[in-house]
Amino acid sequence: DIQMTQSPTSLSAFVGDRVTITCRASQNINAYLNWYQEKPGKAPTLVIYGASSLQSGVPSRFSGSGSGTDFTLTISSLQPEDSATYYCQQSSGTPLTFGGGTKVEVK
Amino acid sequence: QVQLVQSGAEVKKPGASVKVSCKASGYTFTAYDINWVRQAPGQGPEWMGWINPNSGNAHYALKFKGRVTMTRDTSISTAYMELSNLRSDDTAVYYCVKDAGTRPTWYFDLWGRGTLVTVSS
Repeated sequence: DIQMTQSPTSLSAFVGDRVTITCRASQNINAYLNWYQEKPGKAPTLVIYGASSLQSGVPSRFSGSGSGTDFTLTISSLQPEDSATYYCQQSSGTPLTFGGGTKVEVK
Repeated sequence: QVQLVQSGAEVKKPGASVKVSCKASGYTFTAYDINWVRQAPGQGPEWMGWINPNSGNAHYALKFKGRVTMTRDTSISTAYMELSNLRSDDTAVYYCVKDAGTRPTWYFDLWGRGTLVTVSS
């Protein structure tokens, strides 16, 4: 199975800060990497797919990059509504696997 | 409105089975695969498998083979996930999720609200 490791596990930043979350795969997954946002009490929503494609309706302050084994999710200017846990997920092959999550707190 | 509506929370004893339903609306149910993902408390999501609602063919993660059965009823646009021989570590929120493409993309653009399954004696 492909292991997905996210870092950091949590972070706290101010409104307007640039925030970066990393995700590392245990083997090459090309660009088959997706990011989800999960808010308390709500179902996760797709933010980025294919490593860098922005899901429809997601604000342009979100961006993704990377290929192979190392990936990043960047929020260019953190907003209060971005407070959530973010998960990466590889779609290179089954079993599909997710990272352990990064909790983002907005100060 | 495009949505997946799941059945309510369940409490089960060890060794029992649970069947979770997932009713789709707002899109063509048979055109997109339904996957099932669970999330135990404090952990990341865990993929369980998927079903093609058109053919009814299902594929399961090795971890769950022999314990999980995914089915569907196209007449009511509903998918089901049944997990048997429950253990305490099966306590989790179970989500049905819709594949983003008409050919499998293996990422998910629509999630149900989740069904909490608690396994406790």
